[in-house]
Amino acid sequence: EVQLVESGGGLVQPGGSLRLSCAASGFTFSSYEMNWVRQAPGKGLEWVSYISSSGSTIYYADSVKGRFTISRDNAKNSLYLQMNSLRAEDTAVYYCARGNSGDYWGQGTLVTVSS
Amino acid sequence: QAVLTQPSSLSASPGASASLTCTLRSGINVGTYRIYWYQQKPGSPPQYLLRYKSDSDKQQGSGVPSRFSGSKDASANAGILLISGLQSEDEADYYCMIWHSSSLVFGGGTKLTVL
Repeated sequence: EVQLVESGGGLVQPGGSLRLSCAASGFTFSSYEMNWVRQAPGKGLEWVSYISSSGSTIYYADSVKGRFTISRDNAKNSLYLQMNSLRAEDTAVYYCARGNSGDYWGQGTLVTVSS
Repeated sequence: QAVLTQPSSLSASPGASASLTCTLRSGINVGTYRIYWYQQKPGSPPQYLLRYKSDSDKQQGSGVPSRFSGSKDASANAGILLISGLQSEDEADYYCMIWHSSSLVFGGGTKLTVL
């Protein structure tokens, strides 16, 4: 069974940092591209970042470019999102999603940026 | 103008069919894109429904009933999610998505009410 489990969310002050993790199981993680997608409270889905299966190709949404860093450790079946210089508008549930189709999603982890 | 535009809401009766549209911005040709569809119920992550580019390039999500299907309306430059035999459990938010310019783009979502 494919499982994606996000962790690392929480309350952080504006300007602070957080590192999200996504633990993958039930499939060959190293064969799949991965994405981070977020959803602000009561709002729609917003793509954040993409990483290829090897980690050699990375893309970011303009809204997070220069502040967020996506990475992966295929030996640990894990995906990461390092978030720096956080703003109130980054408040959202963050999901990891498998592949370029997003065929499986985790349950999400809530990030709240507030003083 | 947004890359993908979806009507904010749609209502339909149980047993009827619902056609959810995803209109691509002028200048972006629907014929060249795979369009992905997701269903999201309150408090849950999005679930992948299907992918549609053409009748020869389509994919149903794992376990997704065949009453969910995709198509395109080239004259309207739109992707379509057709849900036939509507059930109360189909009441949810529906999002379309495409890969465009090395970015994953979501539509704003359609809230489907079954009443």
